[in-house]
Amino acid sequence: QKEVEQDPGPLSVPEGAIVSLNCTYSNSAFQYFMWYRQYSRKGPELLMYTYSSGNKEDGRFTAQVDKSSKYISLFIRDSQPSDSATYLCAGNSGGYQKVTFGIGTKLQVIP
Amino acid sequence: GAVVSQHPSWVICKSGTSVKIECRSLDFQATTMFWYRQFPKQSLMLMATSNEGSKATYEQGVEKDKFLINHASLTLSTLTVTSAHPEDSSFYICSANPPSGNTGELFFGEGSRLTVL
Repeated sequence: QKEVEQDPGPLSVPEGAIVSLNCTYSNSAFQYFMWYRQYSRKGPELLMYTYSSGNKEDGRFTAQVDKSSKYISLFIRDSQPSDSATYLCAGNSGGYQKVTFGIGTKLQVIP
Repeated sequence: GAVVSQHPSWVICKSGTSVKIECRSLDFQATTMFWYRQFPKQSLMLMATSNEGSKATYEQGVEKDKFLINHASLTLSTLTVTSAHPEDSSFYICSANPPSGNTGELFFGEGSRLTVL
């Protein structure tokens, strides 16, 4: 079993839709959870960074963590074609511990 | 956000040659940098942790004699793929995090696509 499981997609949505991206993880030691956005042939870009369970909102993006079910989500409101990218979830146990990534979900927002 | 620069962005080489990839933190000092490899439709795989002034720490299954890492200064780490073979063709990405951040707050370089003929 992979430590971080993520559906690779692709996921296609019309412009303006609400997008829900999800991951599950198996490592109970994870305390920090991240979402990265990666455009084609580019390095990943940090989008959201959360600690423990709860929600965090930043503009059109909301990250949600439920440690009881080991489930992490990213919601994108009013999706735009420029949001088309691969979204990677990740987690680590904090400090200077290794970050483990999911495989990434490819999102396409259709104008 | 912090800026990490990687060079070259793409390189093609013949089998058996060595290739060096540079990773620079442009606006902060990084005592630790990370090297990842990403194959198509696969997740980022950590290859090694590069530590300034000391030996790199390699992940299990990564050959340290094949993937040489040097972290000579607080702003520069290099990855040298020695005697490259076609199976080494991949997207190599470095990252670093500012001293005040958790290791999850990674800032990535643009990546280097290596093609070995």
